[in-house]
Amino acid sequence: NAGVTQTPKFRILKIGQSMTLQCAQDMNHNYMYWYRQDPGMGLKLIYYSVGAGITDKGEVPNGYNVSRSTTEDFPLRLELAAPSQTSVYFCASSYYPGEEQFFGPGTRLTVL
Amino acid sequence: GNSVTQMEGPVTLSEEAFLTINCTYTATGYPSLFWYVQYPGEGLQLLLKATKADDKGSNKGFEATYRKETTSFHLEKGSVQVSDSAVYFCALNTGNQFYFGTGTSLTVIP
Repeated sequence: NAGVTQTPKFRILKIGQSMTLQCAQDMNHNYMYWYRQDPGMGLKLIYYSVGAGITDKGEVPNGYNVSRSTTEDFPLRLELAAPSQTSVYFCASSYYPGEEQFFGPGTRLTVL
Repeated sequence: GNSVTQMEGPVTLSEEAFLTINCTYTATGYPSLFWYVQYPGEGLQLLLKATKADDKGSNKGFEATYRKETTSFHLEKGSVQVSDSAVYFCALNTGNQFYFGTGTSLTVIP
């Protein structure tokens, strides 16, 4: 049981490049989330999903896209990277929306 | 709206000292309250939670009591260890979404 896994762990992008952050969970959780964590700040919700095929915007969705074709996977897409997207990105999942969220180890992204 | 306010850090304590990290919240309805811990280089892990007023969550020597009258959920530990050095996040959940505080960094020195 691996829990929530994220790849890559680190990435440096140039302005305007695109990339996909991968997230997978093997706990059969319906709910999945993407957060970003900026230095000295709390976590901000980017997008979330309540099940395969269903996604919705969180607090800071601009510049990102998501898809949820399976229960297990919830990739986050950055289309045109900007320096403001330099952050640590965490994926999380939960069985119910009000219950404990399980977090992945994070992806540290730098946009130069 | 919903929000969480934590005491600012960083906090530095000597081993075996008493720890308090303050957390207050604003919420509509009846939220559940959580403390998460983040060790260096890792994701957040649930430390403890409380789902209704006057509930006390506890784990690994840490405790927090859900105080509705003061809208608070302060984290306490009687005797901290070096291994407790981490960032601590207070959070609330309204049933749909989590709201996290900004985190409090704790360093425990031998």
